[in-house]
Amino acid sequence: AQKITQTQPGMFVQEKEAVTLDCTYDTSDQSYGLFWYKQPSSGEMIFLIYQGSYDEQNATEGRYSLNFQKARKSANLVISASQLGDSAMYFCAMRENPGSARQLTFGSGTQLTVLP
Amino acid sequence: GAGVSQSPSNKVTEKGKDVELRCDPISGHTALYWYRQSLGQGLEFLIYFQGNSAPDKSGLPSDRFSAERTGGSVSTLTIQRTQQEDSAVYLCASSPGTVNYGYTFGSGTRLTVV
Repeated sequence: AQKITQTQPGMFVQEKEAVTLDCTYDTSDQSYGLFWYKQPSSGEMIFLIYQGSYDEQNATEGRYSLNFQKARKSANLVISASQLGDSAMYFCAMRENPGSARQLTFGSGTQLTVLP
Repeated sequence: GAGVSQSPSNKVTEKGKDVELRCDPISGHTALYWYRQSLGQGLEFLIYFQGNSAPDKSGLPSDRFSAERTGGSVSTLTIQRTQQEDSAVYLCASSPGTVNYGYTFGSGTRLTVV
């Protein structure tokens, strides 16, 4: 079964607008971590933001915020004031039992295109 | 080093040949991971090393794939008798091994089997 589901293969957003990229996850663990990565066309994977399952507040990093809804098992990424450089593939990922260095499980990604 | 270094950046090989891909993690990072990314796809976990513990090989797709990590640092991923379906970008990542830390990825090795 899919542990991380990203239902939007592609998204378009106008420059300077906000965009939400969806991510739902499946785990029976009580303790887990959620991550978002950006992969530009150059191929490198860039870590954006982290949310722990016990964190009471939604994570924020600059223009990135994570809309964490634990009961719905969703961890959507919100990018505010989109820039042309935000055009990239975005991956949601999860680490179960984060009290270890276990591997991340990645979703299939969302290709975001920012329009001028 | 300052980042995760992978070599070669590109490799073209003939079907049936063996290939070795190298990863040099960030100094002091105890955890090292290998992933595979086929064209336009997500990341498929292959194997991970944590300190001196036995590696988690649960993601290796067949016995043609193996990996080792020498001295807790550099890792080599070996693919024997390569097949065309092995063509992909192979990404290495390292982590301090602490709870909440994401990975630092290398720039990957693009493997093409012809």
